[in-house]
Amino acid sequence: TQLLEQSPQFLSIQEGENLTVYCNSSSVFSSLQWYRQEPGEGPVLLVTVVTGGEVKKLKRLTFQFGDARKDSSLHITAAQPGDTGLYLCAGSYNTDKLIFGTGTRLQVFP
Amino acid sequence: KAGVTQTPRYLIKTRGQQVTLSCSPISGHRSVSWYQQTPGQGLQFLFEYFSETQRNKGNFPGRFSGRQFSNSRSEMNVSTLELGDSALYLCASSLLFRDISTGELFFGEGSRLTVL
Repeated sequence: TQLLEQSPQFLSIQEGENLTVYCNSSSVFSSLQWYRQEPGEGPVLLVTVVTGGEVKKLKRLTFQFGDARKDSSLHITAAQPGDTGLYLCAGSYNTDKLIFGTGTRLQVFP
Repeated sequence: KAGVTQTPRYLIKTRGQQVTLSCSPISGHRSVSWYQQTPGQGLQFLFEYFSETQRNKGNFPGRFSGRQFSNSRSEMNVSTLELGDSALYLCASSLLFRDISTGELFFGEGSRLTVL
């Protein structure tokens, strides 16, 4: 069974701080996605990365795909309370199904 | 356009009962996948349907089943409920089957099942 390990599991920070969330696997992904899930809602896609070494930016969020396509990171600059939620990475090892990571629960205090 | 709709949102059952959950995908989407979300195991893939055919299945016992109708609406059924089946069941739709890995999954708000 493929596993996607995310770290840290929980993160509690003050508004304005920076943070990085990691997603690691022992297998090579064909593609990787990051989702954010807020309480009472389903996950919402933030980004998809496909190429090793790829970096994508979404406002204050920076996503990086490892050169070997086995890991990814999400960096948030100047976190805001609206960034609070569960961050999930999801990797595809073939074209058929998506495996979700263990999740990082982020709480940003004003 | 309307998003993915799941019903019911909340339900309580007792051990041994069975439950059916419903999912209406975004109009025009033909692929529906189901996930189980629990605090301990996270989001786990149950199965995926495309054009009324199950295309993929996760590692769940046969008590978990599903189907898809000609209008792309999907149902999943869990028989002989166990306490460990308590979870949030999420449905996601996507435009095409092969889209699941690089395309976007649109999730519903989920059906929260509690088994007593």
